[in-house]
Amino acid sequence: DTAVSQTPKYLVTQMGNDKSIKCEQNLGHDTMYWYKQDSKKFLKIMFSYNNKELIINETVPNRFSPKSPDKAHLNLHINSLELGDSAVYFCASSLRPGLAGVSYNEQFFGPGTRLTVL
Amino acid sequence: AQSVTQPDIHITVSEGASLELRCNYSYGATPYLFWYVQSPGQGLQLLLKYFSGDTLVQGIKGFEAEFKRSQSSFNLRKPSVHWSDAAEYFCAVERGGGFKTIFGAGTRLFVKA
Repeated sequence: DTAVSQTPKYLVTQMGNDKSIKCEQNLGHDTMYWYKQDSKKFLKIMFSYNNKELIINETVPNRFSPKSPDKAHLNLHINSLELGDSAVYFCASSLRPGLAGVSYNEQFFGPGTRLTVL
Repeated sequence: AQSVTQPDIHITVSEGASLELRCNYSYGATPYLFWYVQSPGQGLQLLLKYFSGDTLVQGIKGFEAEFKRSQSSFNLRKPSVHWSDAAEYFCAVERGGGFKTIFGAGTRLFVKA
């Protein structure tokens, strides 16, 4: 009964490879996010999706391509991996503010995927 | 542009002592403010939030925070720290109705016996 799950938990790969990280939430939320946390713990939003539609793209290189097949899933595919992509990637979900009396954006985070590019 | 500043990279307190973690934000209107906690190897968990009303908000695990508009601050407090509180704490701001939350750089809390 995990709320927000991510797979895999760890990912070690060579530079130049293509990899995917999967995210699923069972909270009934309609909004999902990807964050990147660097080695200094700085957490930066990459993408926001609402009802499978891209809302925010924070100037992320187009090597990163999120895919949302349905509201409960937001996967992240990364092409041509670079050393600088090494980080912990967090998926999160929330209800869209304005729905069902929700006026703020309380996000629920997955456990993270530690990506190491060699 | 919105921004969040957590001036302290790390703080060490003794178990049982009081705690205050500082957070300052930059935003034109009243933002929605959050504190999240991240235990080692875990995702973030919401401690508390402020979006209107009483400026002193209570959260989980005995934490509270006070919104001070005049100082653009939202400091987190706990009267008596437990060893299990050792973690990374993030202050965050969101523009109401938006899909973009800005996080501060985090403050690492160490608790000594």
